[in-house]
Amino acid sequence: GEDVEQSLFLSVREGDSSVINCTYTDSSSTYLYWYKQEPGAGLQLLTYIFSNMDMKQDQRLTVLLNKKDKHLSLRIADTQTGDSAIYFCVYSSASKIIFGSGTRLSIRP
Amino acid sequence: DGGITQSPKYLFRKEGQNVTLSCEQNLNHDAMYWYRQDPGQGLRLIYYSQIVNDFQKGDIAEGYSVSREKKESFPLTVTSAQKNPTAFYLCASTPTGVGGYTFGSGTRLTVV
Repeated sequence: GEDVEQSLFLSVREGDSSVINCTYTDSSSTYLYWYKQEPGAGLQLLTYIFSNMDMKQDQRLTVLLNKKDKHLSLRIADTQTGDSAIYFCVYSSASKIIFGSGTRLSIRP
Repeated sequence: DGGITQSPKYLFRKEGQNVTLSCEQNLNHDAMYWYRQDPGQGLRLIYYSQIVNDFQKGDIAEGYSVSREKKESFPLTVTSAQKNPTAFYLCASTPTGVGGYTFGSGTRLTVV
C-alpha cells in the first residue's frame, strides 16, 4: 500500500545544516509538503513542492525531490534552537493524502 | 492494530445540507484534531479536543461543529453555513497533544 517513511530522530549541532529525508511509494503525487510541529502547537506548513519540480529554495530551507527514487529531503541551513521540532513529510495526490510519522529534530550546543 | 478510522472516504453533499464526518481512534489518545486541506495549501486547523467533553476552535471553525462525548470519537459536522466546504478533511490524534501524531486516511467532501 501507499506509505511515507521518515527516520524518527535527528540530532544536529547548532549552526550546522540539518537534512531530513523522506521516501514514498506512490508515483501519482501532485504536491509534497513539509510540515513543522513545535511542542504544544499545531502543524505549520513550511514549504511544498510540485511533483514536476526538482528543487525549491526558501531562505534557509531547501527541498530536493528525486522522483525516480521517490525521495524527498528538507535541508535547514544554519540550524538554530528554534528549529527544534517534529518535521512531517506529506505526500498528496488527487485522491489521498499521506503523512509520514515525523522526524524529531533536536539541536545540541 | 491500533489506528484512526475516518469514514466515509468520499462524501457528496447537496448545497444547504449538513453532513457529519466520522473519526474514531483506538489508540487511547487524549487529543484529537480536525484539519482541512485544500490543494496547494497547508493544513488548517478546524477544531481540536484535548479531553473528553471539551474542545476548542481552531483557525477556521466557522461553519463547522464538533462533539467529544467519548475519548475514541470526534465527529465533525460540516454545516450549511460553511460557504466553501469542498475539501479534504483529515483527522488526527496524539497521546498528549505534543507531537506523536497519528493521522486518519481522510475524507474528501464534494458539494454538488
